[in-house]
Amino acid sequence: GAGVSQSPSNKVTEKGKDVELRCDPISGHTALYWYRQSLGQGLEFLIYFQGNSAPDKSGLPSDRFSAERTGGSVSTLTIQRTQQEDSAVYLCASSAGTKSYEQYFGPGTRLTVT
Amino acid sequence: GQNIDQPTEMTATEGAIVQINCTYQTSGFNGLFWYQQHAGEAPTFLSYNVLDGLEEKGRFSSFLSRSKGYSYLLLKELQMKDSASYLCAVRDKGNAGKSTFGDGTTLTVKP
Repeated sequence: GAGVSQSPSNKVTEKGKDVELRCDPISGHTALYWYRQSLGQGLEFLIYFQGNSAPDKSGLPSDRFSAERTGGSVSTLTIQRTQQEDSAVYLCASSAGTKSYEQYFGPGTRLTVT
Repeated sequence: GQNIDQPTEMTATEGAIVQINCTYQTSGFNGLFWYQQHAGEAPTFLSYNVLDGLEEKGRFSSFLSRSKGYSYLLLKELQMKDSASYLCAVRDKGNAGKSTFGDGTTLTVKP
């Protein structure tokens, strides 16, 4: 009965390096969402998957950001050539489908770019 | 796009009632969420309104008026543990997977 898990919980990286953030959704959940939250701010939608497909990638801040989902389960968010403005908490959520409105969030990955 | 406004901070007394307002201007609407987020934790789902009216769930109620672009979250019998940030989010009509969030209202409950 595990919830959504994310790894790593914290990541400190140097500017210019690439990072990969991982999300394991609740088993059986077909929809998966990525958000970013800067300190004191609301959530910024990045991308969502229905199955392995991402119908809308318009929320990704730049072409340095990409995401994939394989096997309808685990998803990876990759940030290339990280910049200091990428520092934030990256949250993943899953739901039973996009018609199911209740999203369950993981604990997040706190990314710090130095 | 979506524009969502909610007060930045509110303070209330334990045992009292507080109403947190949210207004939105949207190019498409497919429902409104409220989430609770304690400091340093992930958001948790509170409510979802897609039709006008009041939805009650225990001490928490949520109201929606689509014609006015307005919602509120009502918290009754406030407890200290209700101190948290409350996030309003609008679900996109053309893209069911996308939601736009407000910046959140930080509620402080005092004894």
